Amino acid sequence: EAQVTQNPRYLITVTGKKLTVTCSQNMNHEYMSWYRQDPGLGLRQIYYSMNVEVTDKGDVPEGYKVSRKEKRNFPLILESPSPNQTSLYFCASSLSVAQSTDTQYFGPGTRLTVL
Amino acid sequence: QQQVKQSPQSLIVQKGGIPIINCAYENTAFDYFPWYQQFPGKGPALLIAIRPDVSEKKEGRFTISFNKSAKQFSLHIMDSQPGDSATYFCAATNSGGSNYKLTFGKGTLLTVNP
Repeated sequence: EAQVTQNPRYLITVTGKKLTVTCSQNMNHEYMSWYRQDPGLGLRQIYYSMNVEVTDKGDVPEGYKVSRKEKRNFPLILESPSPNQTSLYFCASSLSVAQSTDTQYFGPGTRLTVL
Repeated sequence: QQQVKQSPQSLIVQKGGIPIINCAYENTAFDYFPWYQQFPGKGPALLIAIRPDVSEKKEGRFTISFNKSAKQFSLHIMDSQPGDSATYFCAATNSGGSNYKLTFGKGTLLTVNP
């Protein structure tokens, strides 16, 4: 089944404790992206990747890191989480960077709480 | 700067009603406008999309109306059903842009009562 998977789905942590949220897609997609969803703010892009080893900042990159060492994986790293990073996080992927209108497929989300 | 403004924030209709969700954009470089549907506990999923060279697009009970001069577009759901209850996001992108970024509206929580 073609899908985007994220782990963990739920995470409660404390301020300053490094964490990684994994994202994997099995569709051989070139483009991957991370969003955060907050009430009243919609979906905001954190980072995106056009291909392996090619990543760039989105609208709200502060406090986050990403890497793209393999085409299928795009982990989101919070080196020192803070309470304002409490949010619902979505990973998304789309087939080709040659067609920006390709459908973005979203993962099921990771609900993160930072105490 | 909010580049895509979506309204209303929430909407309640009776079964069979026609909810309408409106979006307005500012960036004239936007040329592709998808709508995403999100059920509780799930990620958003593409529902329907339109390019500004047409004024309307229908897929089943879902219709997008597009007004290029006003820089506005809207989603209509005909004969709405309780199963349509979800959060709806409009979005916009510049298909010739360098990062293929989707700019989302803030979302509309739709409730369709039986």
